[in-house]
Amino acid sequence: IAGITQAPTSQILAAGRRMTLRCTQDMRHNAMYWYRQDLGLGLRLIHYSNTAGTTGKGEVPDGYSVSRANTDDFPLTLASAVPSQTSVYFCASSDGNSGANVLTFGAGSRLTVL
Amino acid sequence: GQNIDQPTEMTATEGAIVQINCTYQTSGFNGLFWYQQHAGEAPTFLSYNVLDGLEEKGRFSSFLSRSKGYSYLLLKELQMKDSASYLCAAGDSNYQLIWGAGTKLIIKP
Repeated sequence: IAGITQAPTSQILAAGRRMTLRCTQDMRHNAMYWYRQDLGLGLRLIHYSNTAGTTGKGEVPDGYSVSRANTDDFPLTLASAVPSQTSVYFCASSDGNSGANVLTFGAGSRLTVL
Repeated sequence: GQNIDQPTEMTATEGAIVQINCTYQTSGFNGLFWYQQHAGEAPTFLSYNVLDGLEEKGRFSSFLSRSKGYSYLLLKELQMKDSASYLCAAGDSNYQLIWGAGTKLIIKP
């Protein structure tokens, strides 16, 4: 089934630990995104990539890093997790960055940092 | 600054009509999107408006007024499965989406 796969679905993590959230898409979309969703707030963009080999910072990039070695994969790394990074993380993709930029989302990764 | 405002929660009755409003303020404008998000699930695309007017898609319609920075999502013949959060998002000058916090729609029998 075409779409976006995120892993893990859920994780509890000790503060200070390193964590990588995985995201893979099979739609050959050029653009990929990482958002976090917190209660009472809109989706906030962490990092994005318009095409393989390029990345950019979103609204809330601090404490996170990404890489885009190929079209399909876009992992998000928390180098040293802190409790404020407790959130639901959504990976998304789109086939372009202009016009009707419709996003397809993964199922989300729920991360709890203690 | 950039901002999206929409009501936090609305309640409606099965079979009725509900209108969810959204006002936006962005640097540049590249379209207004509505997404549906059921609890514990990912957002899914509902509609896109870039020109003024009404776009109809089955039971769902979306309206845009660019001069007023205003959009609404109209849901007709409400069904229990329409209970979800509805997210309004506007594309800015860099084609990045600015998201509202979402409107939780509760449908009562």
